[in-house]
Amino acid sequence: AQTVTQSQPEMSVQEAETVTLSCTYDTSESDYYLFWYKQPPSRQMILVIRQEAYKQQNATENRFSVNFQKAAKSFSLKISDSQLGDAAMYFCAYRSRETSGSRLTFGEGTQLTVNP
Amino acid sequence: EPEVTQTPSHQVTQMGQEVILRCVPISNHLYFYWYRQILGQKVEFLVSFYNNEISEKSEIFDDQFSVERPDGSNFTLKIRSTKLEDSAMYFCASSATVLNTEAFFGQGTRLTVV
Repeated sequence: AQTVTQSQPEMSVQEAETVTLSCTYDTSESDYYLFWYKQPPSRQMILVIRQEAYKQQNATENRFSVNFQKAAKSFSLKISDSQLGDAAMYFCAYRSRETSGSRLTFGEGTQLTVNP
Repeated sequence: EPEVTQTPSHQVTQMGQEVILRCVPISNHLYFYWYRQILGQKVEFLVSFYNNEISEKSEIFDDQFSVERPDGSNFTLKIRSTKLEDSAMYFCASSATVLNTEAFFGQGTRLTVV
């Protein structure tokens, strides 16, 4: 079974600064997706960014980018130019690509605080 | 932009009562899911549904739970006899194709069992 671990329960960053959230995972599969979801106080789950394991290039979405290290099974999220609206719980998630419609497996989450 | 819609946003029910949580997935999606998040904890998978049947379920999804797609648009989660520990946020999600693209989540239903 796959597991996802986020070792930072809480992180804080100054507005306009950069912060990196860590995630590691364990799997025996070679083909999968990794995601970062944002959960603001409203508790809705919002997709931030996704990475296909077969792609070597790190995904980027505006101020959000990932550092995907497949051999190390590491998938960190970098938020540049942090904004107050980035404050939220961030979840790392894994999904197999080898089985159709497979479940998402989430990490424990990292609560990000953005200080003005 | 298409979205997953869940109703109600908040449900309060007495212990032992049956509750039905409703979801309208994105219209061209094929895979449907229910997840649960107990307050302060991580999101946990409950069940996935494809082609009008359960494709996978977790150990949480016991005989007290059932899912149904009663028509072409709704996807429901029924809890037969609620317990205090069923209090949680329940998320419905859907994804489009066998290519395993990302799952889109609804806004959640907060279930409170008293």
